[in-house]
Amino acid sequence: DAGVTQSPTHLIKTRGQHVTLRCSPISGHKSVSWYQQVLGQGPQFIFQYYEKEERGRGNFPDRFSARQFPNYSSELNVNALLLGDSALYLCASSLRRENTEAFFGQGTRLTVV
Amino acid sequence: QKEVEQNSGPLSVPEGAIASLNCTYSDRVSQSFFWYRQYSGKSPELIMSIYSNGDKEDGRFTAQLNKASQYVSLLIRDSQPSDSATYLCAVNIVNAGGTSYGKLTFGQGTILTVHP
Repeated sequence: DAGVTQSPTHLIKTRGQHVTLRCSPISGHKSVSWYQQVLGQGPQFIFQYYEKEERGRGNFPDRFSARQFPNYSSELNVNALLLGDSALYLCASSLRRENTEAFFGQGTRLTVV
Repeated sequence: QKEVEQNSGPLSVPEGAIASLNCTYSDRVSQSFFWYRQYSGKSPELIMSIYSNGDKEDGRFTAQLNKASQYVSLLIRDSQPSDSATYLCAVNIVNAGGTSYGKLTFGQGTILTVHP
């Protein structure tokens, strides 16, 4: 079975631009969460979506938004990019709303210049 | 006080030794605890989950949980150079309403180096 897949793997954007990151969860998993990981730190929670509804939001500005589609895939959108948004963006899927076990995709490395 | 704290290391152990990684957390009602391994430039990989007090063993890995002390640890027996990575402790923090959902709170990770 395929694991969590994310696209693209790498991305370079200019300050002020907008970016969309995509994630397909493990087949049968209904929960998708997004995390931001900057170098030297652990991942920081951005959003969780379960059954197409937002179930949790971390301490990120409104420039960050997300959605989940009927097939449980998800998009993370970031508007008005700042240099500080440069990070590894990770998508994790889990079977249920409560995070029993979460499995990460390979991540999208976003560089803002 | 950080919600989840780990010693950033680096922790260096010789091949064949036991590596001991520690993590403390601040939320007394947390229920789910995880250890992830992250190789440089890669994404985190789930290696252990533990939900109740005591030890849980899986191959060379043993997770230990003590909820009274708010402490979770990971032991790696017979350490190999391929175990060299950053180990992330993650906790499912219960929200203010007392319900658990999908947020994992991570420590900053402990860098482990196993030298031949």
